[in-house]
Amino acid sequence: ETAVFQTPNYHVTQVGNEVSFNCKQTLGHDTMYWYKQDSKKLLKIMFSYNNKQLIVNETVPRRFSPQSSDKAHLNLRIKSVEPEDSAVYLCASSYWGGHQDTQYFGPGTRLLVL
Amino acid sequence: GDQVKQSPSALSLQEGTNSALRCNFSIATTTVQWFLQNPRGSLMNLFYLVPGTKENGRLKSTFNSKESYSTLHIRDAQLEDSGTYFCAARGNNNNAPRFGAGTKLTVKP
Repeated sequence: ETAVFQTPNYHVTQVGNEVSFNCKQTLGHDTMYWYKQDSKKLLKIMFSYNNKQLIVNETVPRRFSPQSSDKAHLNLRIKSVEPEDSAVYLCASSYWGGHQDTQYFGPGTRLLVL
Repeated sequence: GDQVKQSPSALSLQEGTNSALRCNFSIATTTVQWFLQNPRGSLMNLFYLVPGTKENGRLKSTFNSKESYSTLHIRDAQLEDSGTYFCAARGNNNNAPRFGAGTKLTVKP
């Protein structure tokens, strides 16, 4: 039973459109993450939020922006998508620090940009 | 990425046999996680490790922080063990875990 929820499961769009992906966790964690998994299955960290503050912002294009309303939600907006944005976007959550920072992942959102 | 190197990249096992997967770290690592990504894409937690060893059924994992590696041993491989195994290393700066490139395991009858 998953406790990290992502919507939509799958999204097809045209180059230049804006998309937004949602992520919610019900584990009471204080840290959430967005990863991008490409066609070679490489997982790259994009963003991380701890208690609504950005703590990791890897070098991603500026058209990507995380949005957090509270510690249980971390959405990802892509303004003006490009073909190379086609990938699976995985959301995860954990506690921050110590030895309790096990990550739990959502099922992913698969994006196809035509 | 290069900070976490997984080997082998792919592995084919006969049902009932044993094998080991490995991750080498070039970053100072405090904790390691192992995941299995199933064909539908879901990442399932297998182990969360501080330096030491954990065992769960047919799986056993060791994290050696001094020598900067972790291993995942699979005993008596079953068809449902097929999938891609990832290790992820978290450093002492508490940044987000870095993932290896994965080991694609295929278990054949």
